[in-house]
Amino acid sequence: SYELTQPPSVSVSPGQTASITCSADNLGNKNVCWYQQKSGQSPVLVIYQNNKRPSGVPERFSGSNSGNTATLTISGTQAMDEADYYCQAWDRDTAVFGGGTKLTVL
Amino acid sequence: EVQLVESGGGLVQPGGSLRLSCAASGFTFSSYWMHWVRQAPGQGLVWVSRINTDGSSTKYGDSVKGRFTISRDNAKKTLYLQMNSLTVEDTAVYYCARVDCSDGGSCFFDYWGQGTLVTVSS
Repeated sequence: SYELTQPPSVSVSPGQTASITCSADNLGNKNVCWYQQKSGQSPVLVIYQNNKRPSGVPERFSGSNSGNTATLTISGTQAMDEADYYCQAWDRDTAVFGGGTKLTVL
Repeated sequence: EVQLVESGGGLVQPGGSLRLSCAASGFTFSSYWMHWVRQAPGQGLVWVSRINTDGSSTKYGDSVKGRFTISRDNAKKTLYLQMNSLTVEDTAVYYCARVDCSDGGSCFFDYWGQGTLVTVSS
């Protein structure tokens, strides 16, 4: 089965840039989405189709996908961005999620 | 406003059954594929099942195949998940989620419910 690998945790200082990776074989051939989940809340879509932002998502969130790695980048990270982040792709019509990355804003 | 509201969670003994519901509003329910995603306590998101618009096609994750059944009632705008032969490993928050495939053919979960907690314990 297809597996997406994320680092368990990433730390960033306020105002700095945070990068969260998601890796899998030939991931660049797929469309990747990213979801933000704050403590006790439901997931929220922040990036779809590798690099598109839904309406209402701040411009500091961006995405890329090439080769075997997709990356979620948060520029000028704010305290409110502290959350778990999950990448997601499709294997046929089955959704596959990465294990999640806990972003800590120190 | 799009809303997905799950219900039906609770405490059940191992081997027992439970039926979850997800009431949809604010959009044309019958036009969207729907999914169930679960999250065990302190763990990540795991896809469970999906159903197409008219209910004629379903698919399941390996961990629930043969035990869970997804269904929908478009007239009632409600999604269901019948869960049988439950084990402690099924303990999780269960989310229903809508999938949107309208943007260039790329599909994504654009709306999620608040989740309902299922606890399997003796």
